[in-house]
Amino acid sequence: AQTVTQSQPEMSVQEAETVTLSCTYDTSENNYYLFWYKQPPSRQMILVIRQEAYKQQNATENRFSVNFQKAAKSFSLKISDSQLGDTAMYFCAFTPGGANSKLTFGKGITLSVRP
Amino acid sequence: DSGVTQTPKHLITATGQRVTLRCSPRSGDLSVYWYQQSLDQGLQFLIQYYNGEERAKGNILERFSAQQFPDLHSELNLSSLELGDSALYFCASSSTGGAGYGYTFGSGTRLTVV
Repeated sequence: AQTVTQSQPEMSVQEAETVTLSCTYDTSENNYYLFWYKQPPSRQMILVIRQEAYKQQNATENRFSVNFQKAAKSFSLKISDSQLGDTAMYFCAFTPGGANSKLTFGKGITLSVRP
Repeated sequence: DSGVTQTPKHLITATGQRVTLRCSPRSGDLSVYWYQQSLDQGLQFLIQYYNGEERAKGNILERFSAQQFPDLHSELNLSSLELGDSALYFCASSSTGGAGYGYTFGSGTRLTVV
């Protein structure tokens, strides 16, 4: 069974600074997909970024980028130029893909951006 | 608006009661997934339907059941409710039978059992 671990329950960052959120996972699959989702106080789950395991290049989406280390089974999210609107809970998620696959989520990390 | 519609947004009910949560997937999406989010358990997968058929089952209690109708909307039925069933219930949809491209989530139904 796949597991996703987010060991930091909370983090805080000053506005305009950079913060990195950690995630590790365990799988025996060689190909899979990793995600970061954001859940602001509105409760809506929003897809932030997606990474395909067979692609060596780290995914980026504007101020959001990942550091994907396949051998270490690590998938961290870097948020640059943090904004107050980035305050949210962030979930790391894994799926092996394929038919009938589902997302397995970590327990999440609460990020607070200080003005 | 994500395109996935969940109703109702809030529900307060008593222990022992039965409720139905409804989900309409994003237009064109055939898969519907149900998740339970509680404070201490994170997001727990309950069940997946694809084009009307059950495809995968997770940690879903026997008191809970779901179905997906021909118009692709889905309902999650929770019966003999207990205080511990209080949680945020999410529906999500995807265009394929798998999760490789991620999901689009609804805004959730907040269930409070008193």
